[in-house]
Amino acid sequence: EAQVTQNPRYLITVTGKKLTVTCSQNMNHEYMSWYRQDPGLGLRQIYYSMNVEVTDKGDVPEGYKVSRKEKRNFPLILESPSPNQTSLYFCASSRVREFSTSGSYNEQFFGPGTRLTVL
Amino acid sequence: RKEVEQDPGPFNVPEGATVAFNCTYSNSASQSFFWYRQDCRKEPKLLMSVYSSGNEDGRFTAQLNRASQYISLLIRDSKLSDSATYLCVVNFNFNKFYFGSGTKLNVKP
Repeated sequence: EAQVTQNPRYLITVTGKKLTVTCSQNMNHEYMSWYRQDPGLGLRQIYYSMNVEVTDKGDVPEGYKVSRKEKRNFPLILESPSPNQTSLYFCASSRVREFSTSGSYNEQFFGPGTRLTVL
Repeated sequence: RKEVEQDPGPFNVPEGATVAFNCTYSNSASQSFFWYRQDCRKEPKLLMSVYSSGNEDGRFTAQLNRASQYISLLIRDSKLSDSATYLCVVNFNFNKFYFGSGTKLNVKP
């Protein structure tokens, strides 16, 4: 089954304790992204990756790191979590689809989400 | 200013009704456009991509107006199962995605 998996699904931690949220996809997609979702703000892109060893900042990268050593995995690292990083996190992987007329677009598939609470 | 703006709703409609959502975006260089559906804090799922010429998928019709920078979603013959939050998404520079905060739809019997 084609899917994006994230672990853990739920995590309660304390300020300053380093953590990693894993993301893995089995669809051989080149593109992967991390988002956070907060009430009233919608999903905001944290980091994205266009391929192995190629990553770039999204709109809210402060306090986060990522790595892309293998095509299927894209972990999100919080070196020193703070309470303002309490959020719902989604990983996504995407493939290029062609329009029937012209051009192409980037279709995203999301993981089930990780609910993180930082005390 | 937000990149993508949506009316948060909720839109409360009876079964069988037709309902329409609009979304506006600020970056005129945006390249592709989508509607996603999200159920109760679960992962967003792609509902439709929005083509320049507009497109239809069963009861759902999406339109794009580049001149006015807005996207619309029309749902005909609403079902109870259509109750969800609908997210407008704009893609810029292929890798950057901007999400609206979503429009909540409640379809009532």
